[in-house]
Amino acid sequence: DTGVSQNPRHKITKRGQNVTFRCDPISEHNRLYWYRQTLGQGPEFLTYFQNEAQLEKSRLLSDRFSAERPKGSFSTLEIQRTEQGDSAMYLCASSQEQGIVGWTGELFFGEGSRLTVL
Amino acid sequence: AQSVTQLDSQVPVFEEAPVELRCNYSSSVSVYLFWYVQYPNQGLQLLLKYLSGSTLVKGINGFEAEFNKSQTSFHLRKPSVHISDTAEYFCAVSRRLTGGGNKLTFGTGTQLKVEL
Repeated sequence: DTGVSQNPRHKITKRGQNVTFRCDPISEHNRLYWYRQTLGQGPEFLTYFQNEAQLEKSRLLSDRFSAERPKGSFSTLEIQRTEQGDSAMYLCASSQEQGIVGWTGELFFGEGSRLTVL
Repeated sequence: AQSVTQLDSQVPVFEEAPVELRCNYSSSVSVYLFWYVQYPNQGLQLLLKYLSGSTLVKGINGFEAEFNKSQTSFHLRKPSVHISDTAEYFCAVSRRLTGGGNKLTFGTGTQLKVEL
């Protein structure tokens, strides 16, 4: 399967601990996104990379959150000093360069990493 | 600023009946609209999208949606639902980002429950 892959799928941690999530996008996609989804809500945009450059960050991304995409391939999302309010599903998505096809606007989502902070 | 309102949090419907899931949007710029479906414990899958052109958009699994600029709506319809359509449906409006990316603003979702 060559879809977007996220690991781990589930993470339970104690308040104050650090956690890291990994996302492997579809191989030819140069754009990568992180979203957060809490219970009963739609996904909310966190941040966006084009290749290795982080081009936009949401105000939701506090200074405890850091995302990287070294070499423009996989990405990591780290949350430091976790709080109970960080409990959510963290979704990664990727999309394709415009190229000859033209802008399609479609994002391809992974299955998400569910974080539970006790 | 952009926003999406999905008025119905849950829609129960019997199998083979028609269904409409409502979506209203607010956007001050060019409008690109999407419907995604999320099955339990899975990621989001694109059902259909409106970028330009014909206001009636057909998607996968027999779904279609109509873009109505005057009513700022993008309602999703299916003439005959199946048990397998039971899922959460999200409407989203898009803003293009620096470098050509796409920021989606989602509604709160509508849980479609198909019953026998």
